[in-house]
Amino acid sequence: GAVVSQHPSRVICKSGTSVKIECRSLDFQATTMFWYRQFPKKSLMLMATSNEGSKATYEQGVEKDKFLINHASLTLSTLTVTSAHPEDSSFYICSASSVSQMSSYNEQFFGPGTRLTVL
Amino acid sequence: AQSVAQPEDQVNVAEGNPLTVKCTYSVSGNPYLFWYVQYPNRGLQFLLKYITGDNLVKGSYGFEAEFNKSQTSFHLKKPSALVSDSALYFCAVRDNTGGFKTIFGAGTRLFVKA
Repeated sequence: GAVVSQHPSRVICKSGTSVKIECRSLDFQATTMFWYRQFPKKSLMLMATSNEGSKATYEQGVEKDKFLINHASLTLSTLTVTSAHPEDSSFYICSASSVSQMSSYNEQFFGPGTRLTVL
Repeated sequence: AQSVAQPEDQVNVAEGNPLTVKCTYSVSGNPYLFWYVQYPNRGLQFLLKYITGDNLVKGSYGFEAEFNKSQTSFHLKKPSALVSDSALYFCAVRDNTGGFKTIFGAGTRLFVKA
């Protein structure tokens, strides 16, 4: 299957700093990328959907200015947590979607996740 | 609006016994249904999906799931559990209207005891 990478896998930062997380599709072009947040022992919460070259669509309750998403190319999307605070500590997972060659169904592939800890 | 329910927070099963992890869904139209597994501090691994066709779907690592339209269920099953199957399992649904949004259930933690 297709591979999606995330970098870094873990990051610890001080409160008030900004952190950038990269999501890359390694062997396919991702027309759409998604960012999820997972709280401990909880499900994945979709934060936003981004299409290459256009502004991200944020889910209700997600602060656009807090979580900046850029999807500059078909293989890279970035999530920047601005002015991070301890409550932003979480596991962030990206996924990338491409059209299956077998059907019109859009496959979705997940990255390994990034553990953010804000001190 | 589409939704997914996993009624069990945790499932305990002895190694070698069959396991079932339950999932019910609500979506307008015909759904795309998925099961994913997550190990600690890892991303999601795809297990199987139902798009169309046979109601019994076979996936990775010996898992299978049965799509039941009348009961709006998509339970995950395995005939003989392994200790290594212990993980967090997510059921997910996406509508088939061309949208990309996938909604995940709350997750079910599976413990397989040796």
